[in-house]
Amino acid sequence: EAGVTQSPRYAVLQEGQAVSFWCDPISGHDTLYWYQQPRDQGPQLLVYFRDEAVIDNSQLPSDRFSAVRPKGTNSTLKIQSAKQGDTATYLCASSIQANTEVFFGKGTRLTVV
Amino acid sequence: AQSVTQPDARVTVSEGASLQLRCKYSYFGTPYLFWYVQYPRQGLQLLLKYYPGDPVVQGVNGFEAEFSKSNSSFHLRKASVHWSDWAVYFCAVSMNTGGLSGKLTFGEGTQVTVIS
Repeated sequence: EAGVTQSPRYAVLQEGQAVSFWCDPISGHDTLYWYQQPRDQGPQLLVYFRDEAVIDNSQLPSDRFSAVRPKGTNSTLKIQSAKQGDTATYLCASSIQANTEVFFGKGTRLTVV
Repeated sequence: AQSVTQPDARVTVSEGASLQLRCKYSYFGTPYLFWYVQYPRQGLQLLLKYYPGDPVVQGVNGFEAEFSKSNSSFHLRKASVHWSDWAVYFCAVSMNTGGLSGKLTFGEGTQVTVIS
């Protein structure tokens, strides 16, 4: 069984540029999460979906971050006008009905210079 | 609000020696607790999970953890460390009142270095 797949694995951009991260969850998993993990810190939840609906995006910086999951499968996290403080690894995870083991992807490491 | 504290940012241990990683949580209600491991350039992998019941839980690769409500702790242990245990370990608590959830609050992590 394929795990959670994320792309790209790495991204480097200048402040003010935009970037998108893509996530393909495990087949059949209805719940998808995006976490932000700054260097040498623990992951912090940004947003999560049940199917195509956003369940909780209270920690998503809404002025520059957006996340969608239009068909309830793959998801895209986008950062408009990136800042140096956005430098982190962005982890996608999935589970079934938010009540079982959560599986994480390898992440996208973003560096904003 | 719920929180997790891992007081040791770095731990160095000799191969074959025992290991204990500390985790303290703050949570209103019944906590559901987890330990994850992160190898270099890899995603998080679940080591073990605590659901209300037996306070000692067994995980993969010889890891176990013990829940203590009185101490608000969920410490991780391994009797004999192998070089492959070199990684970062995260303690986490589930934020859902229902308990089982991917809405996790993580600690800052403990970097484990194994020396020969």
